Amino acid sequence: AQTVTQSQPEMSVQEAETVTLSCTYDTSESDYYLFWYKQPPSRQMILVIRQEAYKQQNATENRFSVNFQKAAKSFSLKISDSQLGDAAMYFCAYRNTGTASKLTFGTGTRLQVTL
Amino acid sequence: ETGVTQSPTHLIKTRGQQVTLRCSSQSGHNTVSWYQQALGQGPQFIFQYYREEENGRGNFPPRFSGLQFPNYSSELNVNALELDDSALYLCASSLRGGEFGYTFGSGTRLTVV
Repeated sequence: AQTVTQSQPEMSVQEAETVTLSCTYDTSESDYYLFWYKQPPSRQMILVIRQEAYKQQNATENRFSVNFQKAAKSFSLKISDSQLGDAAMYFCAYRNTGTASKLTFGTGTRLQVTL
Repeated sequence: ETGVTQSPTHLIKTRGQQVTLRCSSQSGHNTVSWYQQALGQGPQFIFQYYREEENGRGNFPPRFSGLQFPNYSSELNVNALELDDSALYLCASSLRGGEFGYTFGSGTRLTVV
């Protein structure tokens, strides 16, 4: 079974600075997808960024980018120019391939953004 | 384009009762998944529905059941509620494979007393 580990329960960053959230996972599959989701107090999970395992190029979405190290099974999220609105819980998630796909989530990292 | 809508937003039930949670999927999405998120934890996969049939199930007992309707909306039913069933229940819709991600609703907060 796949597992996802987020070792940082809480992180803090100053506005306009850069922060990196860590995620590692365990799988025996070679093809899969990885996601970062943001969950603000409104509770709705919002997709931040996705990565396809067969692509070596790291995904980027505006201020958000990932460092995907397939051999190390590591998938960290970098947030540049942090904004107050970035404060939320961030979840790393793994999606298996196949017809009965599901997301396996980590335990989350709470990000605080300070002035 | 409408997002995922869940109802009710909050619910309080007594141990042993039954509950039904509802989800309307995003327009154009044909697959619905349900997740249970206990306080301070990441969501856990309950099951997925595609073409009105269960298409994958997580480690949850049979008292957790579901339905998907022809319009792709879905219900989650939980029988014989236990205190540990208290959690946020999230519904997520996607196109068949979900490779491009899932659209989540804001969830139903269930409290069992």
